[in-house]
Amino acid sequence: GQNIDQPTEMTATEGAIVQINCTYQTSGFNGLFWYQQHAGEAPTFLSYNVLDGLEEKGRFSSFLSRSKGYSYLLLKELQMKDSASYLCAAFNDYKLSFGAGTTVTVRA
Amino acid sequence: DGGITQSPKYLFRKEGQNVTLSCEQNLNHDAMYWYRQDPGQGLRLIYYSQIVNDFQKGDIAEGYSVSREKKESFPLTVTSAQKNPTAFYLCASKDRTYEQYFGPGTRLTVT
Repeated sequence: GQNIDQPTEMTATEGAIVQINCTYQTSGFNGLFWYQQHAGEAPTFLSYNVLDGLEEKGRFSSFLSRSKGYSYLLLKELQMKDSASYLCAAFNDYKLSFGAGTTVTVRA
Repeated sequence: DGGITQSPKYLFRKEGQNVTLSCEQNLNHDAMYWYRQDPGQGLRLIYYSQIVNDFQKGDIAEGYSVSREKKESFPLTVTSAQKNPTAFYLCASKDRTYEQYFGPGTRLTVT
């Protein structure tokens, strides 16, 4: 079976940094995705980690530890438009298994 | 412009009626997927198809049916057997790399 865990909600101030953790237990694992989803919209791709380590893309970075079944998404220099749900998803063969999502609220 | 289209954006049906959600892609992708999302929850896989004329059940296939007669199209039928059909339905497609591309979604309300 698949088990993907991430916190339900996080709140941070504009300009700050927030780290969203994700732990996974899956039967088979190829890589870990992070998606951003604004309310009522489709998810948009943020990152994909296959190998252990940190990958940086502008204000967003994602980390993966395959041995620990752990990933995090780091959002830096938070902006109001970053208020959204962030979905962690484990890729196994041809399928994605999603966590429930973390709602991030950015306050002025 | 290449992309995935889902229609309609909002759909209302009476309980007991079957309803078909449309998903079309012009990205020339082989694989297509249907997900369901309920409030405060992640996406759950309903069905997926890796190639024309072939599809597999996902985690919550009961009460749903699909067809894949053309590469571009992967319609989803929500049957009256689905106990709680009201949800946000997302279609996605994938090429031979890893990234799934999502359509804009259809919000189905059954009363």
